[in-house]
Amino acid sequence: ETGVTQSPTHLIKTRGQQVTLRCSSQSGHNTVSWYQQALGQGPQFIFQYYREEENGRGNFPPRFSGLQFPNYSSELNVNALELDDSALYLCASSLARGMNTEAFFGQGTRLTVV
Amino acid sequence: GDSVTQMEGPVTLSEEAFLTINCTYTATGYPSLFWYVQYPGEGLQLLLKATKADDKGSNKGFEATYRKETTSFHLEKGSVQVSDSAVYFCALSDQGGYQKVTFGTGTKLQVIP
Repeated sequence: ETGVTQSPTHLIKTRGQQVTLRCSSQSGHNTVSWYQQALGQGPQFIFQYYREEENGRGNFPPRFSGLQFPNYSSELNVNALELDDSALYLCASSLARGMNTEAFFGQGTRLTVV
Repeated sequence: GDSVTQMEGPVTLSEEAFLTINCTYTATGYPSLFWYVQYPGEGLQLLLKATKADDKGSNKGFEATYRKETTSFHLEKGSVQVSDSAVYFCALSDQGGYQKVTFGTGTKLQVIP
């Protein structure tokens, strides 16, 4: 059983550019969530995908968008990058139902916007 | 909305000292509660969890009890080690339509020999 994997691990982009981050969910998990963790802060929920559809969204602008594929892997896309988008982006996978549902996190992608 | 408040750090302890990191929460319904740990340069690892009132989660010598009456989930360990140095996040997950996790701001723990 493989865990949650994210790519790339580190990335540097210029303000105004677009970026795509990738996540492979843990085997058997059909739900993927994305979080943004600014330096020294707790992770903030961006959105969640369940069976290829957005299933919930946090307080992030529309330039943050995502996709989930039939194999439950996912992408996070950010357009028109701003300096404040510099953060660790975490992907988490889980089963969507059940009282004992827990999220398993990947190692994250460190995005730096210059 | 849901929120988690945890004590600010950093917390510096000597090896073998007793650890308490306070955590309180606000939520509608009956959330599941978690403690996650983040080692330097790494992602989040689930440390322990509790899914209903009075449950005690435990792992690696760490414990936390789900207290509905005080809306708390304090993390404790009887004897910390240098290897416990990390950032600890208290978190909750609602039981509604989707399992969004709401995190506290984290407490950095430094254990010195």
